[in-house]
Amino acid sequence: EAQVTQNPRYLITVTGKKLTVTCSQNMNHEYMSWYRQDPGLGLRQIYYSMNVEVTDKGDVPEGYKVSRKEKRNFPLILESPSPNQTSLYFCASTDRPDGETQYFGPGTRLLVL
Amino acid sequence: GENVEQHPSTLSVQEGDSAVIKCTYSDSASNYFPWYKQELGKRPQLIIDIRSNVGEKKDQRIAVTLNKTAKHFSLHITETQPEDSAVYFCAASITGTASKLTFGTGTRLQVTL
Repeated sequence: EAQVTQNPRYLITVTGKKLTVTCSQNMNHEYMSWYRQDPGLGLRQIYYSMNVEVTDKGDVPEGYKVSRKEKRNFPLILESPSPNQTSLYFCASTDRPDGETQYFGPGTRLLVL
Repeated sequence: GENVEQHPSTLSVQEGDSAVIKCTYSDSASNYFPWYKQELGKRPQLIIDIRSNVGEKKDQRIAVTLNKTAKHFSLHITETQPEDSAVYFCAASITGTASKLTFGTGTRLQVTL
């Protein structure tokens, strides 16, 4: 079954404690993205990746890091989380360079205390 | 960068009525415009999209129209049903920009009986 998976699905942490949210897709897609969703602000792109070892900043990259060492995985790293990073995070992938037909993961709800 | 504005933020219609959601974009180079539906607690899912070389596209009860001159596009849902209740997001991107999708802030549609 074609899918995008994220782990963990829910996470409560404290300010400053490094965390990683994993994202994996089994569709051999080249393009992957991370979004955060906040009430009234919609979905905002954090980082995206065009292929292995190729990443670029989205609209809200501050406080986040990513890596793309394998085609199927695109982890999101928060080196020093802060309360303003409390949000719902979605990973997405597509095989289209214009962002067409993005497949979204189930989401990760993060609370930073 | 691209800026996508979406209106209204909330919309309540009676079952059987039509619903219209409007978006405007700022970058005249944008040429791909998808619409995503997000049910409560679920991930966004693509419901329809349109490219800049087409003025209108229809899929059963949903349709999207695009006015490139005015830089706005709209989602039309006819004969609304309770299962249409969800948050709808418009988005815009430029072909070849490697998955750089910019989303609107979302419209919460409530279909009442």
